[in-house]
Amino acid sequence: DTEVTQTPKHLVMGMTNKKSLKCEQHMGHRAMYWYKQKAKKPPELMFVYSYEKLSINESVPSRFSPECPNSSLLNLHLHALQPEDSALYLCASSQAPSGSFENEQYFGPGTRLTVT
Amino acid sequence: RKEVEQDPGPFNVPEGATVAFNCTYSNSASQSFFWYRQDCRKEPKLLMSVYSSGNEDGRFTAQLNRASQYISLLIRDSKLSDSATYLCVVLRFSGGYNKLIFGAGTRLAVHP
Repeated sequence: DTEVTQTPKHLVMGMTNKKSLKCEQHMGHRAMYWYKQKAKKPPELMFVYSYEKLSINESVPSRFSPECPNSSLLNLHLHALQPEDSALYLCASSQAPSGSFENEQYFGPGTRLTVT
Repeated sequence: RKEVEQDPGPFNVPEGATVAFNCTYSNSASQSFFWYRQDCRKEPKLLMSVYSSGNEDGRFTAQLNRASQYISLLIRDSKLSDSATYLCVVLRFSGGYNKLIFGAGTRLAVHP
């Protein structure tokens, strides 16, 4: 089973709101990722967690704050977002952060975020 | 120049056609290679990993040429359900961790 789940599916928030996106996987994967995808563009990497520690932050603004409570869960806390942050936010996981074939990444269905 | 380049598309083909997608990558340190498909407003789904010897899965055949830094995907006997955007993806080791580098994607529309 290569399932990654994300909640909520859709989120509309104002620029002063605080909200959180949630991601869960039960495949025993030790690396988890947040991506942002705008319409008609490929996904852009935001954060990588490896063994529950933040490994990569791709110069993401501090209004996005990731958290990894345990090896199965990944959250993305949102605060004071801008309308241009509206996008599809995708979570992914892979077996391990290094190596070769074990690094197939599996994506969740995404949260479609609209900032008003 | 982008690190992963794909045919811009879109490709519009009739059912039953054979379609070929091409992709080149510029970083010779790239380690692993994948094709993902993405349906409109859905997440990317892993279609195939691409191995040096080439690999086939039913109607889909992927090839890798490391010397030319070229990856291909062939779809035979295309179905309406193959309509999607196909993303060429390269995995590169960077800063101690693996990063997926995505091509811009090629859209395929299969019509009756």
